[in-house]
Amino acid sequence: AQSVTQPDIHITVSEGASLELRCNYSYGATPYLFWYVQSPGQGLQLLLKYFSGDTLVQGIKGFEAEFKRSQSSFNLRKPSVHWSDAAEYFCAVVGVRFQKLVFGTGTRLLVSP
Amino acid sequence: EPEVTQTPSHQVTQMGQEVILRCVPISNHLYFYWYRQILGQKVEFLVSFYNNEISEKSEIFDDQFSVERPDGSNFTLKIRSTKLEDSAMYFCASTGRGAASTDTQYFGPGTRLTVL
Repeated sequence: AQSVTQPDIHITVSEGASLELRCNYSYGATPYLFWYVQSPGQGLQLLLKYFSGDTLVQGIKGFEAEFKRSQSSFNLRKPSVHWSDAAEYFCAVVGVRFQKLVFGTGTRLLVSP
Repeated sequence: EPEVTQTPSHQVTQMGQEVILRCVPISNHLYFYWYRQILGQKVEFLVSFYNNEISEKSEIFDDQFSVERPDGSNFTLKIRSTKLEDSAMYFCASTGRGAASTDTQYFGPGTRLTVL
């Protein structure tokens, strides 16, 4: 069965510093991978997705993620964090049938001044 | 930009009562989903729905739960007799195509259900 692990529950980053959020997946075939962001009291917004091709994908709000098959990872990065990036970030993999999403437990990003 | 909408934003109910959570998916989408997120936990899949029937459901989706697309626009989740542990944020999602497609799944803002 598919699964996603996000090893960091909380991360605190200074504003302007770089960010990397880790995601590891378990999936038998080529995965379809996603990063979603959830701001307080809000729904889930798609940041970026990977299906195939270039392993470095660009998303909205200046985020990017790199798919590394050898490490079963899909880490999310941003070169310079803004205070408005404080939110919860979820990595997800799509299931084989009917595209159900399997989510990781999420990483809460705190941005310090 | 088209979006998924959900009503109500917050529902408070007594244990044992029935609740219906409503969603309006994006108009040309064909696959519909419900997920839930218990406070502090991860988002979990409940059920997917296509062509007026359930495509897949999780272990959470027991006989107390049902889904329906009563008309061409609404997609509902009914919980017949709510339990305290049903308290969660419930998200509706939709996508244009399903299995093996590259369509994005769009989520609504969620309904927070509180069972007292």
